[in-house]
Amino acid sequence: DQQVKQNSPSLSVQEGRISILNCDYTNSMFDYFLWYKKYPAEGPTFLISISSIKDKNEDGRFTVFLNKSAKHLSLHIVPSQPGDSAVYFCAARSNYQLIWGAGTKLIIKP
Amino acid sequence: ETGVTQSPTHLIKTRGQQVTLRCSSQSGHNTVSWYQQALGQGPQFIFQYYREEENGRGNFPPRFSGLQFPNYSSELNVNALELDDSALYLCASSLPSENTEAFFGQGTRLTVV
Repeated sequence: DQQVKQNSPSLSVQEGRISILNCDYTNSMFDYFLWYKKYPAEGPTFLISISSIKDKNEDGRFTVFLNKSAKHLSLHIVPSQPGDSAVYFCAARSNYQLIWGAGTKLIIKP
Repeated sequence: ETGVTQSPTHLIKTRGQQVTLRCSSQSGHNTVSWYQQALGQGPQFIFQYYREEENGRGNFPPRFSGLQFPNYSSELNVNALELDDSALYLCASSLPSENTEAFFGQGTRLTVV
């Protein structure tokens, strides 16, 4: 059973527009959520996080929104840039481990 | 400040063999976690070490074992390799605080033939 789901395997967005990546979870006990970005042949790199007591966190072009009642979080990237093309993972913290989604491949078109 | 480094980067082993993967944690980080990432999937938690002791374990059989050393570096050992063990193995280091992000190495790509 997948506790963290990213239902879109890929997403294509025009450069300069907004990219919205979505993530759903099932376990209401998760209290911290993170987004990681991964390029080929590299490990995941941390992007942004949010505590379950908040509904929004912003860092430059990246904003994460959390809707606890819907058990849904999203990552907004605006404006999208070519270097944003990568696989994006959402992860939820449960005690000592991170539970990960399967990832969404974001392609930014010039 | 050095980042997380893993060795080797690529490895090919035969079914039934044993393998040891290594990880040096980021300076100052005393917690190391290991993940297995199969193709097209997100990383799956294997186990975590804190101050040289296993601090938590995911749904992996006992043939997956680990060590953490006094300098906080870590090893992942897999015995009796199976074809399904072929994956990218990721090591992440962090501080033990709950709200600290983990920093990942580049991974070791293991292929079992």
